[in-house]
Amino acid sequence: SQQGEEDPQALSIQEGENATMNCSYKTSINNLQWYRQNSGRGLVHLILIRSNEREKHSGRLRVTLDTSKKSSSLLITASRAADTASYFCAGGSRLTFGEGTQLTVNP
Amino acid sequence: NAGVTQTPKFQVLKTGQSMTLQCAQDMNHNSMYWYRQDPGMGLRLIYYSASEGTTDKGEVPNGYNVSRLNKREFSLRLESAAPSQTSVYFCASSVGPISNQPQHFGDGTRLSIL
Repeated sequence: SQQGEEDPQALSIQEGENATMNCSYKTSINNLQWYRQNSGRGLVHLILIRSNEREKHSGRLRVTLDTSKKSSSLLITASRAADTASYFCAGGSRLTFGEGTQLTVNP
Repeated sequence: NAGVTQTPKFQVLKTGQSMTLQCAQDMNHNSMYWYRQDPGMGLRLIYYSASEGTTDKGEVPNGYNVSRLNKREFSLRLESAAPSQTSVYFCASSVGPISNQPQHFGDGTRLSIL
Protein backbone atom coordinates (compact mmCIF):
# COMPACT_ATOMS: atom_id res chain seq x y z
CA SER A 1 0.00 0.00 0.00
CA GLN A 2 1.27 3.45 -0.88
CA GLN A 3 1.09 6.16 1.75
CA GLY A 4 2.19 8.88 -0.64
CA GLU A 5 1.23 9.43 -4.24
CA GLU A 6 3.26 11.90 -6.24
CA ASP A 7 1.96 14.02 -9.06
CA PRO A 8 2.97 14.36 -11.82
CA GLN A 9 4.67 11.04 -12.58
CA ALA A 10 7.08 12.83 -14.90
CA LEU A 11 8.07 16.47 -15.36
CA SER A 12 10.39 17.99 -17.97
CA ILE A 13 11.52 21.62 -17.70
CA GLN A 14 14.29 23.94 -18.87
CA GLU A 15 17.20 24.97 -16.73
CA GLY A 16 16.34 28.03 -14.67
CA GLU A 17 12.63 27.21 -14.42
CA ASN A 18 10.90 26.20 -11.21
CA ALA A 19 9.71 22.63 -10.65
CA THR A 20 6.73 21.76 -8.46
CA MET A 21 5.89 18.24 -7.37
CA ASN A 22 2.89 17.25 -5.32
CA CYS A 23 2.28 14.46 -2.86
CA SER A 24 -1.02 13.23 -1.43
CA TYR A 25 -1.16 10.81 1.47
CA LYS A 26 -3.86 8.66 3.00
CA THR A 27 -3.47 8.46 6.77
CA SER A 28 -2.48 10.82 9.56
CA ILE A 29 1.22 11.57 9.76
CA ASN A 30 3.66 12.96 12.32
CA ASN A 31 5.88 14.26 9.57
CA LEU A 32 6.47 13.99 5.85
CA GLN A 33 9.83 13.47 4.23
CA TRP A 34 11.11 14.15 0.73
CA TYR A 35 13.94 12.21 -0.91
CA ARG A 36 15.86 12.43 -4.18
CA GLN A 37 17.18 9.46 -6.14
CA ASN A 38 19.69 9.88 -8.92
CA SER A 39 19.78 7.14 -11.54
CA GLY A 40 21.47 4.01 -10.23
CA ARG A 41 21.96 5.40 -6.73
CA GLY A 42 20.30 5.20 -3.34
CA LEU A 43 17.85 7.76 -2.00
CA VAL A 44 19.11 10.95 -0.43
CA HIS A 45 17.11 12.74 2.24
CA LEU A 46 16.16 16.30 1.29
CA ILE A 47 13.84 17.67 3.92
CA LEU A 48 11.52 16.64 6.76
CA ILE A 49 8.46 18.71 7.60
CA ARG A 50 6.54 18.04 10.81
CA SER A 51 2.75 17.94 11.00
CA ASN A 52 2.64 21.23 12.94
CA GLU A 53 4.65 23.05 10.26
CA ARG A 54 3.14 24.59 7.15
CA GLU A 55 6.25 25.49 5.20
CA LYS A 56 9.95 24.74 5.31
CA HIS A 57 12.90 25.95 3.26
CA SER A 58 16.29 24.45 2.53
CA GLY A 59 18.41 26.26 -0.04
CA ARG A 60 16.49 26.17 -3.33
CA LEU A 61 13.91 23.77 -1.89
CA ARG A 62 10.57 24.82 -0.46
CA VAL A 63 8.18 22.28 1.03
CA THR A 64 4.62 22.96 2.10
CA LEU A 65 2.29 20.74 4.09
CA ASP A 66 -1.49 20.94 4.28
CA THR A 67 -2.70 18.38 6.80
CA SER A 68 -6.36 19.22 6.19
CA LYS A 69 -5.97 18.19 2.55
CA LYS A 70 -3.42 15.47 3.32
CA SER A 71 -1.06 16.93 0.75
CA SER A 72 2.44 18.31 0.42
CA SER A 73 4.37 20.02 -2.33
CA LEU A 74 8.06 20.30 -3.16
CA LEU A 75 9.22 23.35 -5.09
CA ILE A 76 12.70 23.49 -6.59
CA THR A 77 13.55 27.02 -7.69
CA ALA A 78 15.99 27.99 -10.44
CA SER A 79 16.44 24.37 -11.47
CA ARG A 80 19.74 22.99 -12.76
CA ALA A 81 20.58 20.01 -14.94
CA ALA A 82 22.01 18.37 -11.81
CA ASP A 83 18.50 18.37 -10.28
CA THR A 84 17.50 15.68 -12.79
CA ALA A 85 16.40 12.77 -10.59
CA SER A 86 13.37 11.00 -9.14
CA TYR A 87 11.75 12.62 -6.13
CA PHE A 88 9.79 10.70 -3.52
CA CYS A 89 7.62 11.67 -0.59
CA ALA A 90 7.35 9.35 2.40
CA GLY A 91 5.28 9.34 5.55
CA GLY A 92 3.35 7.27 8.04
CA SER A 93 4.37 5.07 10.94
CA ARG A 94 6.29 2.70 8.63
CA LEU A 95 7.61 5.55 6.39
CA THR A 96 5.80 4.39 3.26
CA PHE A 97 7.14 5.80 -0.01
CA GLY A 98 5.20 6.99 -3.02
CA GLU A 99 6.01 6.00 -6.59
CA GLY A 100 7.96 9.17 -7.28
CA THR A 101 8.14 12.00 -9.79
CA GLN A 102 10.81 11.75 -12.49
CA LEU A 103 12.17 15.26 -13.02
CA THR A 104 14.23 16.05 -16.11
CA VAL A 105 15.92 19.44 -16.32
CA ASN A 106 17.10 20.23 -19.83
CA PRO A 107 20.22 22.40 -20.27
CA ASN B 1 33.14 8.03 6.34
CA ALA B 2 31.37 5.53 4.05
CA GLY B 3 27.80 5.82 5.43
CA VAL B 4 25.80 2.73 4.40
CA THR B 5 27.67 0.06 2.46
CA GLN B 6 25.92 -2.76 0.62
CA THR B 7 27.49 -5.86 -0.87
CA PRO B 8 27.37 -7.18 -3.51
CA LYS B 9 26.34 -4.45 -5.96
CA PHE B 10 25.10 -6.94 -8.57
CA GLN B 11 24.12 -10.60 -8.42
CA VAL B 12 22.48 -13.12 -10.72
CA LEU B 13 20.91 -16.22 -9.17
CA LYS B 14 19.06 -19.24 -10.44
CA THR B 15 15.62 -20.05 -9.08
CA GLY B 16 15.94 -21.98 -5.82
CA GLN B 17 19.41 -20.72 -4.91
CA SER B 18 20.01 -18.94 -1.63
CA MET B 19 21.88 -15.75 -0.99
CA THR B 20 22.61 -13.21 1.75
CA LEU B 21 22.79 -9.50 1.08
CA GLN B 22 25.09 -7.63 3.42
CA CYS B 23 24.68 -4.14 4.83
CA ALA B 24 26.86 -2.17 7.21
CA GLN B 25 26.65 1.40 8.52
CA ASP B 26 29.32 3.42 10.27
CA MET B 27 27.14 6.25 11.61
CA ASN B 28 26.32 4.58 14.95
CA HIS B 29 22.64 4.49 13.99
CA ASN B 30 20.20 2.46 16.06
CA SER B 31 17.70 1.55 13.34
CA MET B 32 18.24 -0.26 10.05
CA TYR B 33 15.95 -1.23 7.17
CA TRP B 34 15.70 -3.34 4.04
CA TYR B 35 13.62 -2.17 1.07
CA ARG B 36 13.00 -3.42 -2.42
CA GLN B 37 12.37 -1.17 -5.40
CA ASP B 38 10.68 -2.43 -8.54
CA PRO B 39 10.35 -0.51 -11.84
CA GLY B 40 7.87 2.33 -11.63
CA MET B 41 7.27 1.77 -7.94
CA GLY B 42 8.37 3.36 -4.76
CA LEU B 43 10.29 1.54 -2.10
CA ARG B 44 8.55 -1.20 -0.16
CA LEU B 45 9.74 -2.11 3.31
CA ILE B 46 10.74 -5.75 3.72
CA TYR B 47 12.05 -5.85 7.31
CA TYR B 48 13.41 -3.40 9.79
CA SER B 49 15.37 -3.42 13.01
CA ALA B 50 14.47 -0.61 15.40
CA SER B 51 17.46 -1.40 17.61
CA GLU B 52 20.15 -4.01 18.04
CA GLY B 53 18.59 -7.33 18.91
CA THR B 54 15.15 -6.62 17.44
CA THR B 55 13.63 -7.20 14.01
CA ASP B 56 10.13 -6.66 12.65
CA LYS B 57 8.27 -7.43 9.45
CA GLY B 58 7.51 -4.69 6.98
CA GLU B 59 5.09 -4.60 4.08
CA VAL B 60 6.54 -7.47 2.01
CA PRO B 61 8.44 -9.93 4.28
CA ASN B 62 7.47 -13.22 2.63
CA GLY B 63 10.43 -15.12 1.21
CA TYR B 64 13.01 -13.20 3.25
CA ASN B 65 14.78 -13.45 6.57
CA VAL B 66 16.98 -10.92 8.34
CA SER B 67 19.67 -10.87 10.99
CA ARG B 68 20.80 -7.86 12.98
CA LEU B 69 24.29 -9.16 13.61
CA ASN B 70 25.37 -6.19 15.73
CA LYS B 71 24.70 -2.45 15.78
CA ARG B 72 26.55 -1.93 12.49
CA GLU B 73 25.34 -4.84 10.38
CA PHE B 74 21.94 -5.97 9.09
CA SER B 75 21.75 -8.80 6.56
CA LEU B 76 18.92 -9.97 4.31
CA ARG B 77 18.65 -13.61 3.27
CA LEU B 78 16.75 -15.21 0.44
CA GLU B 79 16.45 -18.89 1.30
CA SER B 80 15.03 -20.09 -2.03
CA ALA B 81 15.12 -17.35 -4.64
CA ALA B 82 12.16 -16.87 -6.98
CA PRO B 83 11.91 -14.76 -10.17
CA SER B 84 9.43 -12.47 -8.36
CA GLN B 85 12.30 -11.42 -6.09
CA THR B 86 14.18 -9.86 -8.98
CA SER B 87 14.55 -6.28 -7.80
CA VAL B 88 16.89 -3.62 -6.50
CA TYR B 89 17.41 -3.96 -2.77
CA PHE B 90 18.27 -0.98 -0.59
CA CYS B 91 19.52 -0.93 2.96
CA ALA B 92 19.03 2.18 5.06
CA SER B 93 19.73 3.35 8.59
CA SER B 94 18.53 6.11 10.89
CA VAL B 95 19.33 7.46 14.32
CA GLY B 96 15.98 6.56 15.79
CA PRO B 97 12.40 5.49 15.12
CA ILE B 98 11.41 4.71 11.58
CA SER B 99 9.22 7.67 10.76
CA ASN B 100 10.76 10.42 12.85
CA GLN B 101 14.28 10.58 11.49
CA PRO B 102 15.85 10.94 8.06
CA GLN B 103 17.06 7.68 6.59
CA HIS B 104 20.47 7.20 4.99
CA PHE B 105 20.58 4.78 2.09
CA GLY B 106 23.17 2.57 0.47
CA ASP B 107 23.49 2.45 -3.30
CA GLY B 108 21.62 -0.82 -3.62
CA THR B 109 22.11 -4.42 -4.73
CA ARG B 110 20.73 -5.25 -8.16
CA LEU B 111 19.49 -8.84 -8.01
CA SER B 112 18.29 -10.87 -10.97
CA ILE B 113 16.77 -14.31 -10.53
CA LEU B 114 16.52 -16.50 -13.59
